[in-house]
Amino acid sequence: AQRVTQPEKLLSVFKGAPVELKCNYSYSGSPELFWYVQYSRQRLQLLLRHISRESIKGFTADLNKGETSFHLKKPFAQEEDSAMYYCALRALDSNYQLIWGAGTKLIIKP
Amino acid sequence: GAVVSQHPSWVICKSGTSVKIECRSLDFQATTMFWYRQFPKQSLMLMATSNEGSKATYEQGVEKDKFLINHASLTLSTLTVTSAHPEDSSFYICSARTSGSPSYNEQFFGPGTRLTVL
Repeated sequence: AQRVTQPEKLLSVFKGAPVELKCNYSYSGSPELFWYVQYSRQRLQLLLRHISRESIKGFTADLNKGETSFHLKKPFAQEEDSAMYYCALRALDSNYQLIWGAGTKLIIKP
Repeated sequence: GAVVSQHPSWVICKSGTSVKIECRSLDFQATTMFWYRQFPKQSLMLMATSNEGSKATYEQGVEKDKFLINHASLTLSTLTVTSAHPEDSSFYICSARTSGSPSYNEQFFGPGTRLTVL
């Protein structure tokens, strides 16, 4: 079955500390993986996608097919990074539907 | 960037009435639109997927007669909650997918509609 797991509901780190939000997936084929972010009182927006292999707002995520993971990382957290983060998977035969993780609330303490 | 609007942003209605929520892609043509429901402090639950000009595909457990979806054009989809009851109170979010580059496969989200049924 296709599934996205974000094991941490809440992650709290101090400003300047490294951040890693975990995401594991279950899918038999080659998925397309995304990280979406929802800042307080704002809409969901795409943060990054694995095929782009880019860094957005200092965040990076590498697809590890061996570990079926797509963890989101940032070396130095900033207060404005506080938000809900959702990992999502798109299966190739899915009519472009996304399978969502439960989300991780990231709190950056000053 | 691509913008998706939803109207209304919030609505309060009496039990038994119907409520229509509009989702519009403002500056692009949405090949596919998705409707989600989000409960407090929970993730998004996909309700249905609709392609312009065809019937929506509903997820298991979602009543298609209760949640009517119309996708009449490439920029507009509507969700009508018929005979709403308090348990339908939720945050409804739409998203739109464009097939255009460089946003291929990306979903753009509306701001959501808060429905409260009294």
